Formats: sequence, structure tokens, C-alpha cells
Amino acid sequence: AQTVTQSQPEMSVQEAETVTLSCTYDTSESNYYLFWYKQPPSRQMILVIRQEAYKQQNATENRFSVNFQKAAKSFSLKISDSQLGDTAMYFCAFMPTGANSKLTFGKGITLSVRP
Amino acid sequence: DVKVTQSSRYLVKRTGEKVFLECVQDMDHENMFWYRQDPGLGLRLIYFSYDVKMKEKGDIPEGYSVSREKKERFSLILESASTNQTSMYLCASRRDRVANYGYTFGSGTRLTVV
Repeated sequence: AQTVTQSQPEMSVQEAETVTLSCTYDTSESNYYLFWYKQPPSRQMILVIRQEAYKQQNATENRFSVNFQKAAKSFSLKISDSQLGDTAMYFCAFMPTGANSKLTFGKGITLSVRP
Repeated sequence: DVKVTQSSRYLVKRTGEKVFLECVQDMDHENMFWYRQDPGLGLRLIYFSYDVKMKEKGDIPEGYSVSREKKERFSLILESASTNQTSMYLCASRRDRVANYGYTFGSGTRLTVV
């Protein structure tokens, strides 16, 4: 079974600054996918970024990038130039490859961006 | 864009009532999922379905059942609602069994059982 750990329940960052959200996971799978989802106050879960474990290059999407350390089983999210609209809950999630795979989520972290 | 629609944003039900939470997706996705979200616990999988009339238990199926008579609709049923089922319920869909692009989520139903 897989587990996903987000140890920080809350973080706060000043607008325009950079913040890093931590995530670790535990699995015996050799190939898998990792995700960060954002849930703003509207409650709509939005996919922020996706990383394929067999790719060494870290994924980036505009202001969002990840630091994927496979050996350490670490998958942190860096948000650059934080904006007020980044205020949300962020969930780290894991999914093994293959048929019938399912997402396993961490407990989430509440990020507040201060003006 | 794929749309996943949950019929109710807020629901208040009484203990012992039979409750139906409805979820509809509009892009012919094969896989559908029901999660429960609680503060400090993240999202936990209740049930999922790979295709019409197929269902499998997730991590916390006790007290719930599901129905998938049509491909686009996946219903979560609380046979006899209890106060410990007060929670946010999220429905999600995915194109097929091996599409590793994550899920598309609905906006959630916040259920309160009194």
C-alpha cells in the first residue's frame, strides 16, 4: 500500500515571494505518477502539475515547479511569485502505473498568500 | 473541457434517512470515483467504478453503496445516514483504466447529517 505524507498543515507567504510545499511518499512500486492538486475556496480540485517517476527532469508549469527526488521519495512543490489567487489547499497525490490504479492523497496543506 | 457535475452543493439530512448523492460526467469517461474529504484526513476513497454496472470498494466503504446504471452517472448511496457521515463528498472521473493524467473532479457536496 502507498502512503503520502504532507507534514505541514499550514503555511503562509507574502505576495510575490516563493514558497515550497513538502510531500513525501512511501511505495514499493518502481513506476508511478505524482501530482499536486489545488483546492481553492470554491472547492473545485484543479490539477497543478504532474510528474512521471521514470523521468528525471522535474516538471514545470509556469510559476509552479517540482523538486522530485526519487531515491528520497520526496516531491515538493515550489510556487514562485506567489499571487493572492494561490491561496488554497494543496494536495499531493500518488498513483502507480498500470490498469485500475487509483490516486492516494496526502492530508493537504492550507496555503495563505498575504497581500 | 470535461465536466463533472454533482447535483447538490449543500445537503442537510436527518439521521436514518436514505441519501443519494449524484454525479454526472459529460465526456464518456469509463472510470468514476467517490471520495470523502475531512479536515486533517485528506481525501479517502469510498468506492469506484471501471464501467457500467461495475463497482469496487475503496478504503472506507462501510455505510455506503453505489450505483452505476449508465456510463455518465455514478451515485453514492447512504443507506441509513449517520452523523459520522457528515462530510464533504467529491466525485471524480478518468478517461480509462490506464490514463495516468489524474482525475477531473466535481465541485463537491457538503453533507450535514443532523
